[in-house]
Amino acid sequence: GIQVEQSPPDLILQEGANSTLRCNFSDSVNNLQWFHQNPWGQLINLFYIPSGTKQNGRLSATTVATERYSLLYISSSQTTDSGVYFCAGDLNFGNEKLTFGTGTRLTIIP
Amino acid sequence: EAQVTQNPRYLITVTGKKLTVTCSQNMNHEYMSWYRQDPGLGLRQIYYSMNVEVTDKGDVPEGYKVSRKEKRNFPLILESPSPNQTSLYFCASSPSTATNEKLFFGSGTQLSVL
Repeated sequence: GIQVEQSPPDLILQEGANSTLRCNFSDSVNNLQWFHQNPWGQLINLFYIPSGTKQNGRLSATTVATERYSLLYISSSQTTDSGVYFCAGDLNFGNEKLTFGTGTRLTIIP
Repeated sequence: EAQVTQNPRYLITVTGKKLTVTCSQNMNHEYMSWYRQDPGLGLRQIYYSMNVEVTDKGDVPEGYKVSRKEKRNFPLILESPSPNQTSLYFCASSPSTATNEKLFFGSGTQLSVL
């Protein structure tokens, strides 16, 4: 299976700051997704982004599948952005399981 | 509202006492799966189902059973729970059978086995 590395593992920022989270894969991936786990444990799908760039409000994501990485940008951070961000992907073989990274823990300080 | 519903939210049990965690989705999704989340290990897949009556093992299936008799339901069964199954469990569903297209998660079940 693939290996998924996320960086940084922890990030502490002041409210209003911008941040970039990175996800590296050991092989070319399919079905790349970003999730946010809030402090109450709920997992929310932020982006389904196998390639290209998508934006949703203050969040945007870019995947360069050929170079095996994806980036999540958070602008003008708010305290509600705190939590753990996971990326996940699978190999291009159909039924291959989705593999998750170990996450980036983001803490936004008021 | 489109959602994946898990119950219960919290569960404390004792070793060996059979339990079932229910999962239901109202989005007519083909694909459903179960994950467990443990500190330092991230999310690991237990079982998945591509469609009714079709289930397969994930990364960590030992000690678990699943069934998919109806499209909307995918219960997770622990026949004889042990303390190493204490974990946070998530059910998820996706619209596609062929690939892991956009995964939607339930709210999670925190299980403690004493």
